[in-house]
Amino acid sequence: QVQLLQSGTEVRKPGASVKISCQATGYTLTSYYMQWMRQAPGQGPAWMGQIDPSRGRTDYAQEFQDRVTLTRDTSISTVYLELRGLTPQDTAVYFCARAGPYDAIDYWGQGTLVSVSS
Amino acid sequence: EIVLTQSPGTLSLSPGERATLSCRASQRVSSAYLAWYQQKPGQPPRLLIYSSSKRATGVAARFSGSGSGTDFTLTINRLEPDDFAVYYCLQSDSSPFTFGQGTRLDSK
Repeated sequence: QVQLLQSGTEVRKPGASVKISCQATGYTLTSYYMQWMRQAPGQGPAWMGQIDPSRGRTDYAQEFQDRVTLTRDTSISTVYLELRGLTPQDTAVYFCARAGPYDAIDYWGQGTLVSVSS
Repeated sequence: EIVLTQSPGTLSLSPGERATLSCRASQRVSSAYLAWYQQKPGQPPRLLIYSSSKRATGVAARFSGSGSGTDFTLTINRLEPDDFAVYYCLQSDSSPFTFGQGTRLDSK
């Protein structure tokens, strides 16, 4: 069955960077785009960007354009999100999610909490 | 950027009743790229409806989606205790993809 397994909780100080991984199992990573969203405490999800694991092409929300990089390693069926220049406002749960058949964002990872505090 | 506005913000109903949730877009969204999600505390969103009206695998027939253009609706018939959660719409028609702010469905 399709599963997306994300790396664990991260704690960072302001100005630092974080890199989160998302390993896909149960399907071929390169068959579908992978999305990244984040959800701040008490808020709805916000889309950050997507990557085509087959070609490595990326598309980012303008809000994060200058600070985020999505990459992939197809040999281990894993995609990565790197976010730089962290501020306390980046404290959130970060999710990867697959855009499957019909482009439906169907399967989600369990979420990775990133906490930014001095 | 397409802004999705959900209403109401909170809906208080009793088990057995029908819930009608609205999602209005600031510009036209292709029906193929409008989805609805259910989210419970501490969990990722769960896909309920995609392509505006298609139920995701394993979703009860009590859940139905409709709409086109700028107005979309999620209807939940015969509410069950497990249905009380937050519901989000999402458009993936144009980048950046955007979510509505959510409707909280509370048990009365």
